[in-house]
Amino acid sequence: SQQGEEDPQALSIQEGENATMNCSYKTSINNLQWYRQNSGRGLVHLILIRSNEREKHSGRLRVTLDTSKKSSSLLITASRAADTASYFCATVLNTGFQKLVFGTGTRLLVSP
Amino acid sequence: EAGVTQFPSHSVIEKGQTVTLRCDPISGHDNLYWYRRVMGKEIKFLLHFVKESKQDESGMPNNRFLAERTGGTYSTLKVQPAELEDSGVYFCASSEGAGSSYEQYFGPGTRLTVT
Repeated sequence: SQQGEEDPQALSIQEGENATMNCSYKTSINNLQWYRQNSGRGLVHLILIRSNEREKHSGRLRVTLDTSKKSSSLLITASRAADTASYFCATVLNTGFQKLVFGTGTRLLVSP
Repeated sequence: EAGVTQFPSHSVIEKGQTVTLRCDPISGHDNLYWYRRVMGKEIKFLLHFVKESKQDESGMPNNRFLAERTGGTYSTLKVQPAELEDSGVYFCASSEGAGSSYEQYFGPGTRLTVT
């Protein structure tokens, strides 16, 4: 079964609005990362939050992590049309291996 | 500094044929990963090299897939013979360090279509 599941699957907002995406996972993690994929491009790393952290900021991005609920959220504030992309959460498990376990992603559309 | 590059960007082959995908990691990155995303599904891990050694190949779907990284630089992923369900986007990533907190830098992917 999937380690990461995200909701919503798709999100459509206007420029200037905030976008919130959620990710849930099933097993103990070392850290959780968020990636963005623009159409036809590779994955771009956005932010990493460790299991002992609760919140992290990077520019217009705010990530929270609740290990008791096994969930994370990504908030993009004051969205721009250029934020249109697919967003994925990925976890690194506490197995000693470094592989990323991805969720299914959220497709974000920001309209001008 | 050049990022992770992958070749080809697209490949269309017939069922039963062989295809070889190539990944050039960022120079100096010892860790190299292969992932793939088949249609409508999540991105899944295939394997992880540390230099030329396979650290973790738990995600390789079957023995039709062969990954190599001779010399610890670029890597190839060969699919032989290709099946319809192998269609998808194959991503390569590299990272500098050995710890789980190191960022993985992804290439643009190779879109494989098996007809």
